Amino acid sequence: DVKVTQSSRYLVKRTGEKVFLECVQDMDHENMFWYRQDPGLGLRLIYFSYDVKMKEKGDIPEGYSVSREKKERFSLILESASTNQTSMYLCASSLTLSGPSSYEQYFGPGTRLTVT
Amino acid sequence: AQSVSQHNHHVILSEAASLELGCNYSYGGTVNLFWYVQYPGQHLQLLLKYFSGDPLVKGIKGFEAEFIKSKFSFNLRKPSVQWSDTAEYFCAVNARDSGAGSYQLTFGKGTKLSVIP
Repeated sequence: DVKVTQSSRYLVKRTGEKVFLECVQDMDHENMFWYRQDPGLGLRLIYFSYDVKMKEKGDIPEGYSVSREKKERFSLILESASTNQTSMYLCASSLTLSGPSSYEQYFGPGTRLTVT
Repeated sequence: AQSVSQHNHHVILSEAASLELGCNYSYGGTVNLFWYVQYPGQHLQLLLKYFSGDPLVKGIKGFEAEFIKSKFSFNLRKPSVQWSDTAEYFCAVNARDSGAGSYQLTFGKGTKLSVIP
């Protein structure tokens, strides 16, 4: 079974703090993704990475950065947390393949971040 | 860029009722289509997916979905829901021929399903 783990289930930070969210997958997946999930807005892609040290902006990258130094680990960084970044953050991974097994994303349990 | 519309924000059904959740996408090229489910307190998991071939796909727990290319739709169905189907359901589309972004999924806003015993 693919396992995607996230460093914290719940996190409370103050406005202006630098926040690191960590994600690790154990299935040698090439692609990793960070989303935020908000009620009524579904999942919105923040950043993704298709290889080590590679990153691509998603739909809402402003206020975030990412780091992928190792294949299994993808970090989301909030340089200066703000209250509008209070949200559920989901990490996902997928394989680069052809055929039906490709494109399917496996999700972690999420980190609920509250910025006060 | 592609987009996904889910028509219902919240659906309330009694047990044994039939379910159909609508999903439409906007993208003219080749797509993969997914339904994910998030049970209360749990992580998102795949319910079913369409890649190619038979447009009627069957997933876990008795769910199925039909891809109608001419309507850009991928509606989710279940003939008889159970209380344990209470969850949030997300439709997602992947545009296979969109270059570096081809591994991205675009999600709909989700539909909450509440099943009353």
